[in-house]
Amino acid sequence: EAGVTQFPSHSVIEKGQTVTLRCDPISGHDNLYWYRRVMGKEIKFLLHFVKESKQDESGMPNNRFLAERTGGTYSTLKVQPAELEDSGVYFCASSPLGVRQYFGPGTRLTVT
Amino acid sequence: GNSVTQMEGPVTLSEEAFLTINCTYTATGYPSLFWYVQYPGEGLQLLLKATKADDKGSNKGFEATYRKETTSFHLEKGSVQVSDSAVYFCALITQAGTALIFGKGTTLSVSS
Repeated sequence: EAGVTQFPSHSVIEKGQTVTLRCDPISGHDNLYWYRRVMGKEIKFLLHFVKESKQDESGMPNNRFLAERTGGTYSTLKVQPAELEDSGVYFCASSPLGVRQYFGPGTRLTVT
Repeated sequence: GNSVTQMEGPVTLSEEAFLTINCTYTATGYPSLFWYVQYPGEGLQLLLKATKADDKGSNKGFEATYRKETTSFHLEKGSVQVSDSAVYFCALITQAGTALIFGKGTTLSVSS
């Protein structure tokens, strides 16, 4: 069974540019989560999809971040325009019913 | 609010040494508690979990006991190996929530 995959693994962009991160969950997992770890700090929750619906987006930092999950399969997280403080590692996780979440390897975003 | 506090690293040990990584939490009710591990270049993996007071989670020689009275979930291993070098994250999910709440992570380096 393939795990959660994320693309790209690393992205370097300039302040003001746009970046789109992609997450492919484990097939059949209705729940999809985005988290972010800023350097030296906790991994923080961004949002939660159940199928294509946003269940909880209370962790989204501001309206420069837009997450979608069309068709309830893969998800994208767009940052537009990117700011320096958006640098960090963005993790995606998926789960079926229940508590355990399966994480992807993360996308390291560097905004210069 | 809900939070997790874990000892800051890095922790540097020699092979076969005893490991303890402290983790305490603040949460209402009875959260589920987790330890996740991130090996170099990989995503977060669930190491062990406990869902109620006095439960002991164990995996790969690691153990942690859910202590309600001290709100703690300390990670221990009797004899570490070089392959245990990684970043360890303590986390919780509240009874009402679905998002993981993480500590800052502790980097463990084991030398031979």
